[in-house]
Amino acid sequence: IQLTQSPSSLSASVGDRVTITCRASQGISSYLAWYQQKPGKAPKVLIYAASTLQSGVPSRFSGSGSGTDFTLTISSLQPEDFATYYCQQLNTYPLTFGPGTKVDIK
Amino acid sequence: EVQLLESGGGLVQPGGSLRLSCAASGFTFNSYGMYWVRQAPGKGLEWVSGISAGGSSTHFADSVKGRFTTSRDTSKNTLYLQMNSLRADDTAAYYCAKEGSGWWIDSWGQGTLVTVSP
Repeated sequence: IQLTQSPSSLSASVGDRVTITCRASQGISSYLAWYQQKPGKAPKVLIYAASTLQSGVPSRFSGSGSGTDFTLTISSLQPEDFATYYCQQLNTYPLTFGPGTKVDIK
Repeated sequence: EVQLLESGGGLVQPGGSLRLSCAASGFTFNSYGMYWVRQAPGKGLEWVSGISAGGSSTHFADSVKGRFTTSRDTSKNTLYLQMNSLRADDTAAYYCAKEGSGWWIDSWGQGTLVTVSP
């Protein structure tokens, strides 16, 4: 299963609402996770099962979608949110990642 | 606290072999599936392999199938990745990762760098 993400990068300001899209090449129900990775660090999970917020993750992060189209939304971008975001499908092995979306400062 | 500590990375020549280890602590090791994920320099994440909690089932990315194997030793709480016939495009940081309540990853190691070069 192939995943595409759009945009590949974006520039935004603190306080902006940011939306990242992940599209699967075939239906994956709600078997999708979102990760955040900062430079030089391991990724960390934000959302799993498409819309379930991982414990400890700020509520400004939210996920939605099912089937083939999914969205990660940051309701009000904070300075610590500048990072790269990846989706991962968990429906079928191999458990592929999307190519990533880099969010940087405008 | 979950801790995953990879080791075994380094410089290896094309065609060579390397075995990575991941020492796990802070959770019941034989209750969770485990993964290897890699990241080439400046590139995105690539899922490499997975092994079930009991070790009886393994899965691999097409890019490594037939060259890499994965195993786990419950007595040592350690995950392994045996990498054979290494190629330049296997150069990456290799992360050990633990599955969450589903197949998603809830914990990651710090990564170990593998460089394949003459």
